[in-house]
Amino acid sequence: DTAVSQTPKYLVTQMGNDKSIKCEQNLGHDTMYWYKQDSKKFLKIMFSYNNKELIINETVPNRFSPKSPDKAHLNLHINSLELGDSAVYFCASSQGGLSPIYGYTFGSGTRLTVV
Amino acid sequence: KNQVEQSPQSLIILEGKNCTLQCNYTVSPFSNLRWYKQDTGRGPVSLTIMTFSENTKSNGRYTATLDADTKQSSLHITASQLSDSASYICVVSGGVKGGGNKLTFGTGTQLKVEL
Repeated sequence: DTAVSQTPKYLVTQMGNDKSIKCEQNLGHDTMYWYKQDSKKFLKIMFSYNNKELIINETVPNRFSPKSPDKAHLNLHINSLELGDSAVYFCASSQGGLSPIYGYTFGSGTRLTVV
Repeated sequence: KNQVEQSPQSLIILEGKNCTLQCNYTVSPFSNLRWYKQDTGRGPVSLTIMTFSENTKSNGRYTATLDADTKQSSLHITASQLSDSASYICVVSGGVKGGGNKLTFGTGTQLKVEL
């Protein structure tokens, strides 16, 4: 069973479109995250949700909006996509808020290409 | 400014050989340090997590060390295998005065193990 699953795995879309990436975790973790990995392989945190509350927003443009219908899901919606949004987006989860004892579990990533 | 720097940026070794990856950080206050392995096209997977009081921690052929005084960590891989080929990412948690935690990711070391 996949612990943290993301869909789709690949997404190619045109500039200006609106798209969503879905994430689900079956670990019972209380915190979920979205990370962006750029072409230089640097992972940058975008959002964190704990008990349905946004607790980190690292100056991400407001075109990006996380949506958490419940504790097991954290979806990422992106409006008016730009070329610079092309990257691999990783979902992750952890237990214990922002100070998890056992680390973070990452999904396999969604490669977004904006053309 | 909280930073995590890793060296070398890339490394090629022969199967069966040992290698050591370095991580230097300026994150303060310090909470914990983790090493992740990221296979190509996959999400990062946790190898070790070390707190302030821990100097060495092993996970199979992986041994991590931490010197909190000099703010340095290393990941030693023994008897390397082809499957060790991956990106190794150092992640430091901390850096928020008064409590809470923030993750600072290094840019990773790309390791390739060859026959």
